Amino acid sequence: QVQLVQSGAEVKKPGASVKVSCEASGYTFTAHHVHWVRQAPGQGYEWMGIINPSDGSTRYAEKFLGRVSMTRDTSTTTFYMELSSLTSEDTAVYYCAKDLSGTWSFDYWGQGALVTVSS
Amino acid sequence: QSALTQPPSASGSPGQSVTISCTGTSSDVGGYNYVSWYQQHPGKAPKLMIYEVSKRPSGVPDRFSGSKSGNTASLTVSGLQAEDEADYYCSSYAGNPFVFGPGTTVTVL
Repeated sequence: QVQLVQSGAEVKKPGASVKVSCEASGYTFTAHHVHWVRQAPGQGYEWMGIINPSDGSTRYAEKFLGRVSMTRDTSTTTFYMELSSLTSEDTAVYYCAKDLSGTWSFDYWGQGALVTVSS
Repeated sequence: QSALTQPPSASGSPGQSVTISCTGTSSDVGGYNYVSWYQQHPGKAPKLMIYEVSKRPSGVPDRFSGSKSGNTASLTVSGLQAEDEADYYCSSYAGNPFVFGPGTTVTVL
C-alpha cells in the first residue's frame, strides 16, 4: 500500500533552517509528483511547492522563493523539504502529499511533521 | 487569508443532504478544472474526496459529488451519515500559487 512516512517534530530557533523528510513506498517513486503543504495552528492549508521525482525539477510558491528547497533521493525513495530563515510564522505542520497523476490533487498524505519556531 | 471562500459551517440531519460552496475567481476555480475536495477528521491527515471538479477516487462513496459553475465549485454530501462529520477543504490550481479554501465544518445533527 502507498505510504508517505515523514520525519518527526522539530523545534528551531528563529533564523535557523529545518529539513523535513518524506519516505515514499508502495508505488513507482518516479511516476508521481509530490507536493509540500503546511498548516499553521488554527489556520488553513498553504501550498509550498511541487517536485517531479523523475528529474528533480521543482516549482515553488512565490511566497517561499529563495527560502525553500525541495529535493529527492531516488536511491532511498525519499523526498526532502528544507526551509531557511525561519520565523515564528513558520510554526506549522508540514505535509508531503502525492499527486494523483497530474491532477493537482493529493491522494496520499504523510502524517505531518510539526515544526515549532521559538526562541 | 485564503484565496478561496467557503462557509465556516454547514449542518444536516442524518439522511439529508448538505452542499458546501467554494468561491474563487476566474484565475483559479473558474479558470481550471483542477478543483479538489478533502475531508479531514480531527488529528488525521486530509482525505481526497473529489478531484478534477467531479471525479471520485476509488473507495469514496457516491454520496459525495462535486460540481462547478463559473467561479464557484460545490461539494454535495447526500444521505448524511455520522461519519461525515468533519472539516472539508476545497483547493484549486491557480497557476502560482495553488490555493486552498479555509475549510467548512460539517455537523451531523
